[in-house]
Amino acid sequence: NAGVTQTPKFQVLKTGQSMTLQCAQDMNHEYMSWYRQDPGMGLRLIHYSVGAGITDQGEVPNGYNVSRSTTEDFPLRLLSAAPSQTSVYFCASSYSPGVPGEQFFGPGTRLTVL
Amino acid sequence: SQQGEEDPQALSIQEGENATMNCSYKTSINNLQWYRQNSGRGLVHLILIRSNEREKHSGRLRVTLDTSKKSSSLLITASRAADTASYFCATDDINTGANSKLTFGKGITLSVRP
Repeated sequence: NAGVTQTPKFQVLKTGQSMTLQCAQDMNHEYMSWYRQDPGMGLRLIHYSVGAGITDQGEVPNGYNVSRSTTEDFPLRLLSAAPSQTSVYFCASSYSPGVPGEQFFGPGTRLTVL
Repeated sequence: SQQGEEDPQALSIQEGENATMNCSYKTSINNLQWYRQNSGRGLVHLILIRSNEREKHSGRLRVTLDTSKKSSSLLITASRAADTASYFCATDDINTGANSKLTFGKGITLSVRP
C-alpha cells in the first residue's frame, strides 16, 4: 500500500492564482481531512470528510474548497491564493469517523504564496 | 482555537535519560492521541488512550490520562538520538465522534543529545 499520497510536494503561487492540492489514499478509509501547519501554531483543521459525497468545515475553512467524489481522493482547492495561505498542508485519513484509531498522514505540500 | 496545549515547548536531554511531555485540553474527549513529527515529514501516530483508561504502555512509551484534570503525559524512557522530533497531542470532541475533527496542540520540540 502507498498509504496517503500528496502532490505536489512544493508549490509557489502568485497572489490571486488558484490551484488544487491532491490527496489520495489506498486504504479504503472513510475519513479524510486537511490540515495546515504554521510555525508555532501546530496543525489546524481546514476541512474534513466522513465519506464520499460528505464534507464539512474545520477550524480554518475560509479560502478553501473540498469535494469527495470517491473514497480514495480528497482534493483541496485554493480559490484565490493569498500570502496568508503560505503554509505546509497535510492530508490525513483514518478508517472510520466512529472508530477510534490512528490517523495516517501524507508527506505534506509546502506552499508559498508571493 | 487550540484544544491541546503541550508543555514544555522545548526539551533537551541527554541520550539515555527519560523525557516527559505534558498536554492539557479544554473539553471532554473520547480519546487522546500522541503523534511524532520528524523534521520536514508528516506526523506519525504513537499511541492512543481512551477516556476510560488511565495509563497505557507501548514499548518505551508510557501515556497517562487524567480526565478530571484534563491532562495527559507522555513519557519516553531511555531516550535515543533518533527520538529527536516534535511531539503533538491530539484530542477529539465527545460531541462529534470518536475519531473525527482531531485538534492538535502546538507541539513540543524534543532534542536528544548523543
